Amino acid sequence: RKEVEQDPGPFNVPEGATVAFNCTYSNSASQSFFWYRQDCRKEPKLLMSVYSSGNEDGRFTAQLNRASQYISLLIRDSKLSDSATYLCVTQGRGTSYGKLTFGQGTILTVHP
Amino acid sequence: DADVTQTPRNRITKTGKRIMLECSQTKGHDRMYWYRQDPGLGLRLIYYSFDVKDINKGEISDGYSVSRQAQAKFSLSLESAIPNQTALYFCATSDQPGQGRITDTQYFGPGTRLTVL
Repeated sequence: RKEVEQDPGPFNVPEGATVAFNCTYSNSASQSFFWYRQDCRKEPKLLMSVYSSGNEDGRFTAQLNRASQYISLLIRDSKLSDSATYLCVTQGRGTSYGKLTFGQGTILTVHP
Repeated sequence: DADVTQTPRNRITKTGKRIMLECSQTKGHDRMYWYRQDPGLGLRLIYYSFDVKDINKGEISDGYSVSRQAQAKFSLSLESAIPNQTALYFCATSDQPGQGRITDTQYFGPGTRLTVL
């Protein structure tokens, strides 16, 4: 079983739609959580960190449920420019601090 | 100019050849990482270095070696390339955890697309 699992999709949604991605992680020692975005053939870039209290950045909302080891990303009012692969990422603690573990990514395509 | 650069950007080589991928950064970060990305598998950590004198194996280090020549440079070598090492390779950097900070963003280079025939 992969340490970080995501539904690979693809998700195909019209502009203006709301779409949600889910992610589960198996390492209960994971300390920090992120969503990265990767455009086709480009490098991953940090989209947002994920906090237990939930956090929002414009049209993007991230949630973390430590008890269920579950992370989510909600995108409201989807734009064409949101089309990308979204990577769920965890970070360890102690000797594993700084090491990121990536899910395989969820592909999103927003169409007109 | 890009903060994290990788050379070459694309490389085609033959089985058994030695190849080196280079990474340089101008962000002044102590920590550097090498990942490979394969379709359907996400990014997997090959090696990482938390400072010039520190080298650590990642999840999939077999068949690879690294050298941290300076704070700004971290090279990945394939001593004898094989076809299943065909992948997209990314270098990344991050800063030391700061006072009160528990997380650090990793900044990725543009990637090297390696094909081993």
